[in-house]
Amino acid sequence: DVKVTQSSRYLVKRTGEKVFLECVQDMDHENMFWYRQDPGLGLRLIYFSYDVKMKEKGDIPEGYSVSREKKERFSLILESASTNQTSMYLCASSLGDRDYEQYFGPGTRLTVT
Amino acid sequence: EDKVVQSPLSLVVHEGDTVTLNCSYEVTNFRSLLWYKQEKKAPTFLFMLTSSGIEKKSGRLSSILDKKELSSILNITATQTGDSAIYLCAVERYTGTASKLTFGTGTRLQVTL
Repeated sequence: DVKVTQSSRYLVKRTGEKVFLECVQDMDHENMFWYRQDPGLGLRLIYFSYDVKMKEKGDIPEGYSVSREKKERFSLILESASTNQTSMYLCASSLGDRDYEQYFGPGTRLTVT
Repeated sequence: EDKVVQSPLSLVVHEGDTVTLNCSYEVTNFRSLLWYKQEKKAPTFLFMLTSSGIEKKSGRLSSILDKKELSSILNITATQTGDSAIYLCAVERYTGTASKLTFGTGTRLQVTL
């Protein structure tokens, strides 16, 4: 079974703090993704990575950065957290270009106060 | 801008009813359409559709894609309380480097006894 894990289920941070969300997959997948999910807006893609050290902006990259130093790990960084970044963050991975099925992690509910 | 619209936004039915969920899209470089089910945590994959007019079926769930109408439906027959979830539609397109999904906002289905 593919397993995608995220470092925290719940996180509370203060405005202005630097926040790291970690995601690890154990199936040697090429692609990894970070989404945020908000009521009424659905899942929106923040960034994705198709190879180690390669990244591409998604639909809402502003205020975020990512890091992929190893194939199995994809980090989402909030350089200076703001209250409008309070959300559920979901990480996903997929095998490669011809495998479209994305496997999701359990999510991290981030609250910025 | 890529767009995926799902309807209805929410639905309450009685156990045993049949439901039809709709998804329409406007996407450049369309590759496939995917359906996911999201209960309490992460979305889980249901179907991937690439060819128009070919029904995919899994137990009581089935889905079909209409590329001419840029839409898809997800049918659930003989609904059960365990079908209560958010159903997400996503459309996949190729960016030139990787496949990217754009999600709809989802349809919240509640099945009552």
